[in-house]
Amino acid sequence: NAGVTQTPKFQVLKTGQSMTLQCAQDMNHNSMYWYRQDPGMGLRLIYYSASEGTTDKGEVPNGYNVSRLNKREFSLRLESAAPSQTSVYFCAARRDRGRTSGGVGVGTQYFGPGTRLLVL
Amino acid sequence: QKEVEQNSGPLSVPEGAIASLNCTYSDRGSQSFFWYRQYSGKSPELIMSIYSNGDKEDGRFTAQLNKASQYVSLLIRDSQPSDSATYLCAVNTPGGADGLTFGKGTHLIIQP
Repeated sequence: NAGVTQTPKFQVLKTGQSMTLQCAQDMNHNSMYWYRQDPGMGLRLIYYSASEGTTDKGEVPNGYNVSRLNKREFSLRLESAAPSQTSVYFCAARRDRGRTSGGVGVGTQYFGPGTRLLVL
Repeated sequence: QKEVEQNSGPLSVPEGAIASLNCTYSDRGSQSFFWYRQYSGKSPELIMSIYSNGDKEDGRFTAQLNKASQYVSLLIRDSQPSDSATYLCAVNTPGGADGLTFGKGTHLIIQP
């Protein structure tokens, strides 16, 4: 049970290049999220997907596209990378039903290990 | 605009003492509250969740929620150097993305 996985762990791009960040979860949760984290800015929501086949914009969607390929996978694409997109990107899956024996319930988000992206 | 406010710190606490981390939120419709710990270069890791007013204890951690004051806190008893990290407060308000709004985090340093 790996939880949430992300690839790659680290990437360097030149301005204008494109890339796709991959995310997969094995927890069978419906909702998935992409965040970016920048110093002093906290975690900001880029896009989210409430269920397979649906996606919606978050707080900072410009310059990004997403695909919810199936229930497990949610990818983030940068079509033409810019230095302002240098950041750490986290994918998360949200518990949408039930509660664990430890009292962890609906709304909890589980994060992947992150992708560090540097755009030169 | 939903806001979650935390003191950025750093908060320095001697080893063995109680660390107290605080968070306020703006949206009265918020229903679920979470504390995440984030070590440098790592992803956020869930420490505690709390859904109703009062205290919730889990080992050395106690989360406290006061919805009337729109305030949530995290107490860490018997602080250890391994508790040194950034602690993120997160709030879930139903609707829209049905996701979490995060504070910017409090940097906690436990001094040996």
